[in-house]
Amino acid sequence: DAGVIQSPRHEVTEMGQEVTLRCKPISGHDYLFWYRQTMMRGLELLIYFNNNVPIDDSGMPEDRFSAKMPNASFSTLKIQPSEPRDSAVYFCASSSRQGALNSPLHFGNGTRLTVT
Amino acid sequence: GNSVTQMEGPVTLSEEAFLTINCTYTATGYPSLFWYVQYPGEGLQLLLKATKADDKGSNKGFEATYRKETTSFHLEKGSVQVSDSAVYFCALSESGGGADGLTFGKGTHLIIQP
Repeated sequence: DAGVIQSPRHEVTEMGQEVTLRCKPISGHDYLFWYRQTMMRGLELLIYFNNNVPIDDSGMPEDRFSAKMPNASFSTLKIQPSEPRDSAVYFCASSSRQGALNSPLHFGNGTRLTVT
Repeated sequence: GNSVTQMEGPVTLSEEAFLTINCTYTATGYPSLFWYVQYPGEGLQLLLKATKADDKGSNKGFEATYRKETTSFHLEKGSVQVSDSAVYFCALSESGGGADGLTFGKGTHLIIQP
């Protein structure tokens, strides 16, 4: 089990640039989540997918953020254009349909984004 | 709505000290409760869980008891080690255990000094 794989681990970009974060969930997991972590706001759920379909994107901060899951083994979170306030650690997590009781969230190691 | 409140950090202790990290929750139904741990540079991982009142979750020397009367799920460990230094998140799920229903607290940073 390779775990949830995120890339890149670190991303530094200038304001106004497009940023794409990538995630490969654990094979067989049909839920995928994107979280953002900051000191001020803690851990925030941005969006989650079930069977590659976005279910709840109410946590996406604004139209500059978009997420896709073209297949069961890959998801992207895109920010365009990026702003300094987007600086945070972005986590991807996955779990199986059995839910949190029998299959807790498995997190990737995160992407630390810095927008200057 | 649901919410989880944790004690503010950082919490700094000496090795072998007793640890308590407080967690209280607000929920409309009967949630399941969880503690997740985040080691430096890593994502969160499940530490322990309890699914109903008076259940005790335990793992790696950590324990937490689901107290419905006080809506609490405090994390305890009798003797902490330097390797326990991490951020600890209390969380609840009310959607029949579905992962989509997890609500996290803001996390408590624990620092253990040798």
